[in-house]
Amino acid sequence: AQTVTQSQPEMSVQEAETVTLSCTYDTSESDYYLFWYKQPPSRQMILVIRQEAYKQQNATENRFSVNFQKAAKSFSLKISDSQLGDAAMYFCAYTHTGANSKLTFGKGITLSVRP
Amino acid sequence: DAGITQSPRYKITETGRQVTLMCHQTWSHSYMFWYRQDLGHGLRLIYYSAAADITDKGEVPDGYVVSRSKTENFPLTLESATRSQTSVYFCASSESQGSPLHFGNGTRLTVT
Repeated sequence: AQTVTQSQPEMSVQEAETVTLSCTYDTSESDYYLFWYKQPPSRQMILVIRQEAYKQQNATENRFSVNFQKAAKSFSLKISDSQLGDAAMYFCAYTHTGANSKLTFGKGITLSVRP
Repeated sequence: DAGITQSPRYKITETGRQVTLMCHQTWSHSYMFWYRQDLGHGLRLIYYSAAADITDKGEVPDGYVVSRSKTENFPLTLESATRSQTSVYFCASSESQGSPLHFGNGTRLTVT
């Protein structure tokens, strides 16, 4: 079974600084997708970024980028120029591309941003 | 409005009662999912559906029933609610395998 591990339950960053959220996963599949979702206090789940395993290039979305290390099964999220609105819970998630695939989530990390 | 809608947003019920949480999506996505979110556990999959009339168990299906007679609806029923089912429930849909999930706003269920 696939597992997703977020070992840090909480992190804090100073406004305008950079922070990296860690995620590791375990799978025997070669083709899969990885995601980061953001959940602000409103409870809404918002897609931050998506990475396809067959692409070597790291995905980037504005201030958000990933460091995808396929051999190490690591998928960290870097937030640059942190803003107060980045304060939220962040979930790493995995799904393979085969039949009956479904999204498996890590336990999440709570990010606070200090003004 | 296009999107995915969950109802109710909040629900309090008593132990042993039957409760149904509703989920409706307007995109005609094939895949729909029910997750529960609990502190320290992240989101855990309860049931999912690949198409109308096709459903399958996820990680934590015990005590829950789903149906999908129409593509756009995917209700989740707690047949006899227990306190351990107090949680926030999220419905989600996706266009295809590997596509990002689109989430509803969640239902906070409290079982007393």
